[in-house]
Amino acid sequence: AQTVTQSQPEMSVQEAETVTLSCTYDTSESNYYLFWYKQPPSRQMILVIRQEAYKQQNATENRFSVNFQKAAKSFSLKISDSQLGDTAMYFCAFGNQGGKLIFGQGTELSVKP
Amino acid sequence: GAGVSQSPRYKVAKRGQDVALRCDPISGHVSLFWYQQALGQGPEFLTYFQNEAQLDKSGLPSDRFFAERPEGSVSTLKIQRTQQEDSAVYLCASSSSGLGNTIYFGEGSWLTVV
Repeated sequence: AQTVTQSQPEMSVQEAETVTLSCTYDTSESNYYLFWYKQPPSRQMILVIRQEAYKQQNATENRFSVNFQKAAKSFSLKISDSQLGDTAMYFCAFGNQGGKLIFGQGTELSVKP
Repeated sequence: GAGVSQSPRYKVAKRGQDVALRCDPISGHVSLFWYQQALGQGPEFLTYFQNEAQLDKSGLPSDRFFAERPEGSVSTLKIQRTQQEDSAVYLCASSSSGLGNTIYFGEGSWLTVV
């Protein structure tokens, strides 16, 4: 069975600085996807970035980038130039071809002015 | 619609009461998922539909939970004889097909059982 672990329950960062959120996962599958979702207090899950396991190049979306280490089963999220609006819960998720997502426990990120 | 729509947004049920939660996926989306998110936890998978077929219901916690999608569009999650441990946010998500496409989430239905 797949598992996803986020070892940082809470993180804080000063506005305009860079922060990295950690995620590790366990799977025996070779073809899968990894995601980072943002969840504000409204509870709607918003996709931040995704990575296909077969791609070696790390995904990037504007200020958000990942460090995908397939052999180590590690998938960290880097947020550059942090903004107040980045304050939210962040969830790492694993998905296989079946479509089901396995989520980690989440990291609560606070961006301080 | 423009996004995944869920209703009711908030529901308070007395223990033992039956509840029904509705999900309107994005028009044309084939895949539909239900997740349960307890306070302070990540979402946990409940069930998955492809069109009207329920392909995976391995996450439903008990036989009090039942989901349907009879015409391959709107889905209903029904919880019978609610218990306090059922209190959670129930998230619905849809995608145009499988995992290669982006999965879009609704804002959830917040259920409190008293």
